[in-house]
Amino acid sequence: GQNIDQPTEMTATEGAIVQINCTYQTSGFNGLFWYQQHAGEAPTFLSYNVLDGLEEKGRFSSFLSRSKGYSYLLLKELQMKDSASYLCAVLTDSWGKLQFGAGTQVVVTP
Amino acid sequence: DVKVTQSSRYLVKRTGEKVFLECVQDMDHENMFWYRQDPGLGLRLIYFSYDVKMKEKGDIPEGYSVSREKKERFSLILESASTNQTSMYLCASRDRLNQPQHFGDGTRLSIL
Repeated sequence: GQNIDQPTEMTATEGAIVQINCTYQTSGFNGLFWYQQHAGEAPTFLSYNVLDGLEEKGRFSSFLSRSKGYSYLLLKELQMKDSASYLCAVLTDSWGKLQFGAGTQVVVTP
Repeated sequence: DVKVTQSSRYLVKRTGEKVFLECVQDMDHENMFWYRQDPGLGLRLIYFSYDVKMKEKGDIPEGYSVSREKKERFSLILESASTNQTSMYLCASRDRLNQPQHFGDGTRLSIL
């Protein structure tokens, strides 16, 4: 079966750093996506990792270790607008099917 | 910018009704997807389509069907709506395998 685990909720202070972990056990692996979803809105794409290592994109970075079945999303210099749900999703086959984790709700406090 | 448009943001229907949810994308993407999103369960794939008139079941296809007569439009059909189909429904489209899926704003469907 498919299993993607991420914490349910994390709280951090404005200006701080938060790391959201995602572990996965899936039947196939063609890459891992991170999405951001504000309440009542569509998920929006943040990052894609297919090779091991760190990808940096402004305040957001994403890391992948395929041998460990592990990824994390790092949010730096947190802003109030970063309060959202963050979704980890594994691309499991060549058709483009994504398996999603349940999402991590990040709450940024002043 | 990719635009994925879902026909309704909110919809209320009655048990037993046939319900149509429409999705249109404007980027000539070949792949389109329908998900439902429930608290604590994340997004679950209902059906997807990799070309016109082609469809594949996702993880939870029971009680649903789909139609893709034109490349830009992908419809989700609830043949006989039931209360356990009350959910947020999200449509997405994608260009190539390693490209991200682009999502519509979702339809919050309530079945009474």
